Amino acid sequence: GENVEQHPSTLSVQEGDSAVIKCTYSDSASNYFPWYKQELGKRPQLIIDIRSNVGEKKDQRIAVTLNKTAKHFSLHITETQPEDSAVYFCAAGGGSQGNLIFGKGTKLSVKP
Amino acid sequence: DSGVTQTPKHLITATGQRVTLRCSPRSGDLSVYWYQQSLDQGLQFLIQYYNGEERAKGNILERFSAQQFPDLHSELNLSSLELGDSALYFCASSVGGRGRVTGELFFGEGSRLTVL
Repeated sequence: GENVEQHPSTLSVQEGDSAVIKCTYSDSASNYFPWYKQELGKRPQLIIDIRSNVGEKKDQRIAVTLNKTAKHFSLHITETQPEDSAVYFCAAGGGSQGNLIFGKGTKLSVKP
Repeated sequence: DSGVTQTPKHLITATGQRVTLRCSPRSGDLSVYWYQQSLDQGLQFLIQYYNGEERAKGNILERFSAQQFPDLHSELNLSSLELGDSALYFCASSVGGRGRVTGELFFGEGSRLTVL
């Protein structure tokens, strides 16, 4: 089945700096790659997603890139703000198993 | 508000007991997913149902079972509870796409289970 590896597990940046989180997946049939943000004590919420027919997608300060050949995708957050502090999860799905498998998460801390 | 309703929000019980967690998906969503999130852990996929039928299974313990009813709500049954089962259990729903993930999963607020 699908396996998703996510790095780093923790990331601390200064306000205004950029943050990059990387994920790799194992199932070459996966075609949907979302990123979720989970604030403390709350439910995960989708912040951006990308499909396998697209190499890059951007939404304001957030961008995601996908390299299908290498089976890895990344989340880029520019001009980080304290409210970006949360746990971020990558996921892969739509493959042979039809479900959505998450990485173990990255705890991002943005220091003012 | 995601439109996914989970009950109960909090549950405290003893080892060896059995509990049932309930999930009502968003109106029109046919797929329901259950995830377990232990302290400082990621989202562990347990099981997925699509339109009443089991579609995919993760590392769900034999002590755990689930089902999706004709009205599309789902229940997760946890039995012979152990201390290690203490976790936040999330239900999520999506439109479906014949059981494949084709878009956003909408998560409920979760059911926090504490086993003493």
